[in-house]
Amino acid sequence: QTVVTQEPSFSVSPGGTVTLTCGLSSDSVSTIHYPSWYQQIPGQAPRTLIYSTNIRSSGVPDRFSGSILGNKAALTVTGAQAEDESNYYCVLYMGSGISVFGGGTKLTVL
Amino acid sequence: EEQLVESGGGLGQPGGSLRVSCAASELSFSSYAMAWVRQAPGKGLEWVSTISGSGGRTYYADSVLGRFTISRDNSKNTLYLRINTLRAEDTAVYYCAKVVVNYFDLWGRGTLVTVSS
Repeated sequence: QTVVTQEPSFSVSPGGTVTLTCGLSSDSVSTIHYPSWYQQIPGQAPRTLIYSTNIRSSGVPDRFSGSILGNKAALTVTGAQAEDESNYYCVLYMGSGISVFGGGTKLTVL
Repeated sequence: EEQLVESGGGLGQPGGSLRVSCAASELSFSSYAMAWVRQAPGKGLEWVSTISGSGGRTYYADSVLGRFTISRDNSKNTLYLRINTLRAEDTAVYYCAKVVVNYFDLWGRGTLVTVSS
């Protein structure tokens, strides 16, 4: 069974930079997994931030960026703002129509 | 503006069935694959199922295979998810999402399914 791993929680100071990662339990993440990232404020629907590893969705501030770092996908927030405090989920495409979500990272800005 | 609106959630009995729907507007519906993603209370997001634009191909998470059926009516711009043999662990908010190049491009607000006797 495919397990997508994310840090359960992370903290960043306002104006600081933080990198969240998204890994696979038994393989390296690469562009063939089309990593995507979603932001979800509790009680609200998810919002698409990044797709195909590093393409920002329409309207997403450029302080959000995606990449592959080593064997993981990464979401970097540069110059974090209070409104970035949220839950962040990555998704990896495993082929044959199958997508798998990571467990999510709760980002605190303080 | 493209929009997805889910409906049909509510209270279901264990062992029973329920169907949730997702109406799309301002969207070339048949051109896109569509998906269902769920979120149990206090938990993370879980991909459930995806259907191709024509409806000819369907894909399911192992956790729901055999009990859930995804379908679509392109003439009505509507996506469906039939949930059979309801279990307590099916209690969740069910989101529909438009699929573009293997990612979820547009989300609805979700509909809550509660399984309880």
